[in-house]
Amino acid sequence: EAQVTQNPRYLITVTGKKLTVTCSQNMNHEYMSWYRQDPGLGLRQIYYSMNVEVTDKGDVPEGYKVSRKEKRNFPLILESPSPNQTSLYFCASGTSGNTGELFFGEGSRLTVL
Amino acid sequence: GNSVTQMEGPVTLSEEAFLTINCTYTATGYPSLFWYVQYPGEGLQLLLKATKADDKGSNKGFEATYRKETTSFHLEKGSVQVSDSAVYFCALKKGQAGTALIFGKGTTLSVSS
Repeated sequence: EAQVTQNPRYLITVTGKKLTVTCSQNMNHEYMSWYRQDPGLGLRQIYYSMNVEVTDKGDVPEGYKVSRKEKRNFPLILESPSPNQTSLYFCASGTSGNTGELFFGEGSRLTVL
Repeated sequence: GNSVTQMEGPVTLSEEAFLTINCTYTATGYPSLFWYVQYPGEGLQLLLKATKADDKGSNKGFEATYRKETTSFHLEKGSVQVSDSAVYFCALKKGQAGTALIFGKGTTLSVSS
């Protein structure tokens, strides 16, 4: 089954404790991206990757890091989480091209105390 | 710059009512346009898309027509069901390279029996 898998689905952590949200896709997609969803703000792109070892900032990259060492994986790293990073995070993947559809994971709800 | 504006929610309807969710966009060139749906507790999934002017996307009884003259992509359904209760996002495809999407803020639809 074609899917994008994120882990963990739910996490409560404390300020400053490094965490990683993993994302894996089994569709051999070149493109992967992270979004955060906040009430009243919709979805905002954090980082994206056009292919292995190629990553770039989205609209709200501050406080986040990513890596793309393998085509299927695109982890999101919060080196020192802060309460304003409390949010619902979505990973997505897709083929390149102007008409490409994105496939989303089920989301990771992160709370930073 | 590129942006998407969709009507504020929530939208509350009775079963079998007619649905319209307005979406307008600002973009250079000829973007592709999408409607995504997010059911409670799930990630986003593509509902329909249109890739050029006057195209009509349709799926599950929903329709939207790409109107370049009015820069609009309004979502319609003739008879909604309780199972259509979800958050609906209008989106456009940004640029020629990659598959980054710009989303509207989302419209919550609640359908009662």
